[in-house]
Amino acid sequence: AQRVTQPEKLLSVFKGAPVELKCNYSYSGSPELFWYVQYSRQRLQLLLRHISRESIKGFTADLNKGETSFHLKKPFAQEEDSAMYYCALRGYDTDKLIFGTGTRLQVFP
Amino acid sequence: SQTIHQWPATLVQPVGSPLSLECTVEGTSNPNLYWYRQAAGRGLQLLFYSVGIGQISSEVPQNLSASRPQDRQFILSSKKLLLSDSGFYLCACKQGSGNTIYFGEGSWLTVV
Repeated sequence: AQRVTQPEKLLSVFKGAPVELKCNYSYSGSPELFWYVQYSRQRLQLLLRHISRESIKGFTADLNKGETSFHLKKPFAQEEDSAMYYCALRGYDTDKLIFGTGTRLQVFP
Repeated sequence: SQTIHQWPATLVQPVGSPLSLECTVEGTSNPNLYWYRQAAGRGLQLLFYSVGIGQISSEVPQNLSASRPQDRQFILSSKKLLLSDSGFYLCACKQGSGNTIYFGEGSWLTVV
C-alpha cells in the first residue's frame, strides 16, 4: 500500500539555519515523489518533484530509494519559508496522489 | 493553465443536514479530478477521484459521496452531515497527460 510519513508536525528554526523536512514513503514499485507547500492564506501549490531534480526557492530534495526517503532541504532558511509542507507520492500505475500529514515550518527572525 | 473554482468558501451546517460542495475547472479538458479533506492533525486525505464523467473512485468509507455530472464539474455531497465531517475540503485537478496537480482554494465546512 502507498503511504507517506512525515514524522514532524512542527519544525522551528531561526533565520539562516539549515532546514530538513523529513519524508519517508512506502511503495512496492517506483514512485514519483513531490513536495507541496501552502503559505498562509494561499492555496496548496507544487514546490518541486523528484524527477525534475531542480532547486526551487533554494530547496532541494533527493529521492533515496534505499532509505525510501525524500527529505526536503534548504541550507539557509528565510522567514518567508514559513509555511505548511506536504510530501506526496504517486505510484507509476496510478493517478492518485497520496499526501503525508504535513510539517509546519516556522522560521523565526 | 488550469483554474479551479470551489464554492462555497465557508459553510456552517447543522448535524443531519445535507451538503453540496461544488468544484469547476477551467483551462483543460478531460482532467482527473480529486476531493481531499484537510483535517487537523491528519494532513491531506484523499476522499474521491475521478478520471471521467460518471467515474468515481472512493478511497475511504465515509458519510460522503461524489459525482461528476460534467467533464469539468465535481461535486461532493452528503445526505446527512456528521460532526466528524467538519474540515477543510480541497478540490484538485490534473491534466491527463501532465504530472502536476493543481488545487482550489478550498471550502471550510463546520458541522454544528
